[in-house]
Amino acid sequence: DIQMTQSPSSLSASVGDRVTITCRASQDIGIDLGWYQQKPGKAPKRLIYAASSLQSGVPSRFSGSGSGTEFTLTISSLQPEDFATYYCLQHNSYPRTFGQGTKVEIK
Amino acid sequence: EVQLVESGGGLVKPGGSLRLSCAASGFTFSNAWMSWVRQAPGKGLEWVGHIKSKTDGGTTDYAAPVKGRFTISRDDSKNTLYLQMNSLKTEDTAVYYCATLGVDYWGQGTLVTVSS
Repeated sequence: DIQMTQSPSSLSASVGDRVTITCRASQDIGIDLGWYQQKPGKAPKRLIYAASSLQSGVPSRFSGSGSGTEFTLTISSLQPEDFATYYCLQHNSYPRTFGQGTKVEIK
Repeated sequence: EVQLVESGGGLVKPGGSLRLSCAASGFTFSNAWMSWVRQAPGKGLEWVGHIKSKTDGGTTDYAAPVKGRFTISRDDSKNTLYLQMNSLKTEDTAVYYCATLGVDYWGQGTLVTVSS
């Protein structure tokens, strides 16, 4: 199985900060990776697909990069509505695997 | 409007069974690969398994913790996805979401609690 190691597990940031979250895959997954945002009590919502493509309707302050085994999600200027938990998901092979999540909290 | 509506969750004893349903509307269900994803209380997301469209073979894949106990099926005539869960364990307690990961449609989730 492909393991997805996500870091950090949590972070505190202020509105306007630049935030970077990383996912590392245990083997090469090409660009078969998505990033998801989840708010409490809600279903996840995909922000990025194919590692770096912005999902329709998602603000441009979100961006993704990487390929192979190293991937990053960047929020260029954190907004109040961005405080949430973020997950990566690989869909290169079965079983699909999520990262452990990164909780972004208000500093 | 796309809708995925899960039902069938509830309280069940360890060793028991439960069947979840997911009613889909607003998109061509028969063409979609459908997944189940779960989230234990206070924990992260876990992919449970999926079923391909019949035109792509209709095959299923499962995560190791549920393989042999859970079965995913679909009824394209009813636009409905199912998750049959047998031999339930306390660690299966979670909110269960149905989703089309390809185009990012998700249901609201249904809570399954396995407890004596």
